[in-house]
Amino acid sequence: EVQLVESGGGLVQPGGSLRLSCAASGFTFSSYWMHWVRQAPGKGLVWVSRINSDGSSTSYADSVKGRFTISRDNAKNTLYLQMNSLRAEDTAVYYCARGYSYGSYWGQGTLVTVSS
Amino acid sequence: EIVLTQSPGTLSLSPGERATLSCRASQSVSSSYLAWYQQKPGQAPRLLIYGASSRATGIPDRFSGSGSGTDFTLTISRLEPEDFAVYYCQQYGSSPGFTFGPGTKVDIK
Repeated sequence: EVQLVESGGGLVQPGGSLRLSCAASGFTFSSYWMHWVRQAPGKGLVWVSRINSDGSSTSYADSVKGRFTISRDNAKNTLYLQMNSLRAEDTAVYYCARGYSYGSYWGQGTLVTVSS
Repeated sequence: EIVLTQSPGTLSLSPGERATLSCRASQSVSSSYLAWYQQKPGQAPRLLIYGASSRATGIPDRFSGSGSGTDFTLTISRLEPEDFAVYYCQQYGSSPGFTFGPGTKVDIK
C-alpha cells in the first residue's frame, strides 16, 4: 500500500524556519517525481515545488523561490521541504504528492502556522 | 501561464442527481495533462481522473471526465451521499508544476 506521511509542521514566528518531511512507503520512491502542494485555511490548492526522481532537477512557485528548498533522500525514502524566512502568508496545510503530471497519491498533510 | 476557471463555484444538488462540473483553461491544455481531484473537509485531495478521461484506481464508474483543448468536464452520473465535496481540476505543462482551478463545491440541496 502506498503511504506518504508528512511531519515537521508547527507554529513558527515570522522570519523563522521549518523543515518538513514526507516519509514514503509501499512503492519504489526513487522512481517517482514528488511535489509539495499547500492549502491555506479555507482556500484552494496551490503548488509549491517539485523534484525529479534522482533529485537533480527542482522547480518552485514564484512565491517561495529563494526561501524554500526541496530535496530528497532516496536511501531513506524521504522527501523534504526546507522553509526559511517564513511569512504569515505561508500559513497552510502542506501536502506531499507523488507523480509527474498529476498527484496520484497524497499524504494527509502537515499544518504550518506562521504567527507571532 | 495557463489559468484554470471552474464553474459553477457551488453546485447544490440532491442525491441521485447528475452533476456536471466545468473546467476552462485560458489556453489549450494537452489532454494528457488534465486531472480532477475530490477533497472532503479535513482530508487530502484524492485523484479521480487523469489524462482528462481515465479513472484512477478504485474510482467508481459514476465519475467520468471528458473534453479537450480549453474545455473539460467532470460528470458524476448519480450523486451518492459520499460525493458531496469540493472538486478541483489541475493541469501540468505550462509551468514547472501543477496549476489548479479554484474548485467547485458540490453540496446537498
